Amino acid sequence: DTGVSQDPRHKITKRGQNVTFRCDPISEHNRLYWYRQTLGQGPEFLTYFQNEAQLEKSRLLSDRFSAERPKGSFSTLEIQRTEQGDSAMYLCASSLALGEQFFGPGTRLTVL
Amino acid sequence: QQQVKQSPQSLIVQKGGISIINCAYENTAFDYFPWYQQFPGKGPALLIAIRPDVSEKKEGRFTISFNKSAKQFSLHIMDSQPGDSATYFCAASMQHSGAGSYQLTFGKGTKLSVIP
Repeated sequence: DTGVSQDPRHKITKRGQNVTFRCDPISEHNRLYWYRQTLGQGPEFLTYFQNEAQLEKSRLLSDRFSAERPKGSFSTLEIQRTEQGDSAMYLCASSLALGEQFFGPGTRLTVL
Repeated sequence: QQQVKQSPQSLIVQKGGISIINCAYENTAFDYFPWYQQFPGKGPALLIAIRPDVSEKKEGRFTISFNKSAKQFSLHIMDSQPGDSATYFCAASMQHSGAGSYQLTFGKGTKLSVIP
């Protein structure tokens, strides 16, 4: 399967714990995006990488969130001191310069 | 501020009928308008996309109609099938500058149910 993959698919954690998600984009795609989707809403942009550089961050990305894309390959999204409001589906997408963004299956986070 | 407004929130259509979903945008800098289909537990998948230099684009049973002056675009699904039952999202982004993230701004989604 050469699509975008995400791991884990589901994560249940207690409030205050740290969690980390991984995204593996389509191999030749230099652009990588993280979005967050809550129930009944469309995905909302969180952050964008071009190769290894994080070039744009949404105001939704609080100080508790950090993302990396070492060597311009896979990316990780870490949430520190999770809150119940962080419960959502976290989606990763990748693309070439213009055109279609291909989405992964998402990581469903539940904060108890 | 919701930059892309989508309606209706839900839609029930009989098999073989036409499903119509509408979106309106506010930012005139948007120049790429895709529609995504999402099944439960899956990520969104691109259905069809249009740029503002054309007023209509058709791919199979799916058609986008685009009205630049009204800042509106719509998705028509012809001969709707039960397998089309999913949530549909319109989106918009700015790609003309050649720079920037090309991040997508999504509508809130339309849950389509096609009944036999």
